[in-house]
Amino acid sequence: DVKVTQSSRYLVKRTGEKVFLECVQDMDHENMFWYRQDPGLGLRLIYFSYDVKMKEKGDIPEGYSVSREKKERFSLILESASTNQTSMYLCASSRPQGATEAFFGQGTRLTVV
Amino acid sequence: GQSLEQPSEVTAVEGAIVQINCTYQTSGFYGLSWYQQHDGGAPTFLSYNALDGLEETGRFSSFLSRSDSYGYLLLQELQMKDSASYFCAVRTAGNMLTFGGGTRLMVKP
Repeated sequence: DVKVTQSSRYLVKRTGEKVFLECVQDMDHENMFWYRQDPGLGLRLIYFSYDVKMKEKGDIPEGYSVSREKKERFSLILESASTNQTSMYLCASSRPQGATEAFFGQGTRLTVV
Repeated sequence: GQSLEQPSEVTAVEGAIVQINCTYQTSGFYGLSWYQQHDGGAPTFLSYNALDGLEETGRFSSFLSRSDSYGYLLLQELQMKDSASYFCAVRTAGNMLTFGGGTRLMVKP
């Protein structure tokens, strides 16, 4: 069974902290994504990676960075957490060219206080 | 960039048919996907259209018109368990996947 695993289901951090959200997939997928989901705004793409060490900015990359040192792991980093980054964060992966389906993790509910 | 428009909310009764529309503006369009998300759950893939026309998968069908930058998801014989949010998503060059704002479907008895 395919699996995308996010390290935490719930996380509470303080303003100004550096926050790491981890995502691991076991499907040998080249593509990995980070989205944030807020009510009424759908899923907004933060960053996308199509290979190890390769990344593309999505629609809302400000305040975030990513790391992809290994194919199976894609990390989202909040350099200095702010209250407006309180959100649900979803990681996904998919196969490369020709693939049609993305598989999602269960999400990390991050609260910044 | 990409933009997708879909209704925020739709209500229908059990056993009925409902259509959720999606219009998009994008460059480098490869195809349109649909995802379902139940409250508290992860989005799960429903369908994908790369070419014009209708794709049918059981009670769900999806349609695409590339010339109109328009697609829809059709749900037939609605069941209570179909109450969920439905997202359209465009796949663009480089396999980037951009989602719409989602449509919350409420199925009433």
